[in-house]
Amino acid sequence: GIQVEQSPPDLILQEGANSTLRCNFSDSVNNLQWFHQNPWGQLINLFYIPSGTKQNGRLSATTVATERYSLLYISSSQTTDSGVYFCAVSNSNSGYALNFGKGTSLLVTP
Amino acid sequence: IAGITQAPTSQILAAGRRMTLRCTQDMRHNAMYWYRQDLGLGLRLIHYSNTAGTTGKGEVPDGYSVSRANTDDFPLTLASAVPSQTSVYFCASSEGQGYGYTFGSGTRLTVV
Repeated sequence: GIQVEQSPPDLILQEGANSTLRCNFSDSVNNLQWFHQNPWGQLINLFYIPSGTKQNGRLSATTVATERYSLLYISSSQTTDSGVYFCAVSNSNSGYALNFGKGTSLLVTP
Repeated sequence: IAGITQAPTSQILAAGRRMTLRCTQDMRHNAMYWYRQDLGLGLRLIHYSNTAGTTGKGEVPDGYSVSRANTDDFPLTLASAVPSQTSVYFCASSEGQGYGYTFGSGTRLTVV
């Protein structure tokens, strides 16, 4: 299957700081999604972004499919941004099913 | 509220017992999935179904079975539970390729 590597594995930020999370993948993809898992375990879909750039409030994401990476930007971080951020991908070989990276664990301190 | 319902929320199960985790969605999504989440390993796909009546194996299917008799329900069965199946199980759905996933709230299963 497609290998997904996320970096950094852990990140601690002070409230108000900006951050960039990276996702590298080993094959071409036609589906890439970013998820946030909050401290209560709930998984929320942030972006569906197999290519290009999208923005949603303080979050934005860019996928450069030809170079096999995606970036998630968090600006003016808040304590509620804490949790684990997952990147997940799939291609025609894997059908619809997403293959997840191991995540970036983010802690935003007051 | 539209979404995915998983049951039970948590369960302690004796090894060797049979257990079915329930997953129901009301969004009429074609595709459904079961993942397990273990510390340090992220989410790993157990089984999936691209449409009602079809199922497929994921990365870690051994010891699990699924069925997809209709669009809404996608139960996951552990025929004879073992301690290594202790995990948090997530059900998800999507309209299909090219659409985002919606996840349920998860089932925390402990096999003792």
